[in-house]
Amino acid sequence: DAGVTQSPTHLIKTRGQQVTLRCSPKSGHDTVSWYQQALGQGPQFIFQYYEEEERQRGNFPDRFSGHQFPNYSSELNVNALLLGDSALYLCASSLAGTGQSTEAFFGQGTRLTVV
Amino acid sequence: QQQVKQSPQSLIVQKGGISIINCAYENTAFDYFPWYQQFPGKGPALLIAIRPDVSEKKEGRFTISFNKSAKQFSLHIMDSQPGDSATYFCAASGAGGYNKLIFGAGTRLAVHP
Repeated sequence: DAGVTQSPTHLIKTRGQQVTLRCSPKSGHDTVSWYQQALGQGPQFIFQYYEEEERQRGNFPDRFSGHQFPNYSSELNVNALLLGDSALYLCASSLAGTGQSTEAFFGQGTRLTVV
Repeated sequence: QQQVKQSPQSLIVQKGGISIINCAYENTAFDYFPWYQQFPGKGPALLIAIRPDVSEKKEGRFTISFNKSAKQFSLHIMDSQPGDSATYFCAASGAGGYNKLIFGAGTRLAVHP
């Protein structure tokens, strides 16, 4: 059973460019959340997708957008990249709970470097 | 109110000793408290988790103690091993099934042989 897979593992982009990161959730999971982890800090919630819609969003600008596909996989898009967007981007998958939080499993992350 | 405060920032323990990491929260709507272990260059791995209706949960050498009235919870690693050297994050998630995790700042644990 494959866990959460993310691609690519590393990426270098120039300031002002756009980037797309991809995530395939754990088999049987229907919810994908994206997190940004700056060096030496805890992950920060960006947004969550369920049933192909953004269900919750953290304190991130509109430059950060996403998408969820019918097979539950997801993309994170970041436009107009800033140097401060350099971080490890993590995807977490879970099964939507019925009024109760459930286990979330993370991928290995995509290391984005903006130069 | 959405913060989770974690301490200490770093911890050095001798092999075979007990590692203790503490977290505190404010939001009483949190209903799920996981701990994650992260090695350099890797994603966080779920270690153990607890819900507020339980005061303690043990899995192997890892134990979570939960104090609902104090709004605090802690991770105890018994018989710490050099392979346990990693960064540990506590987190909290609110009710409603949304699974949005609020993370602590992390504790860098070093277990010396």
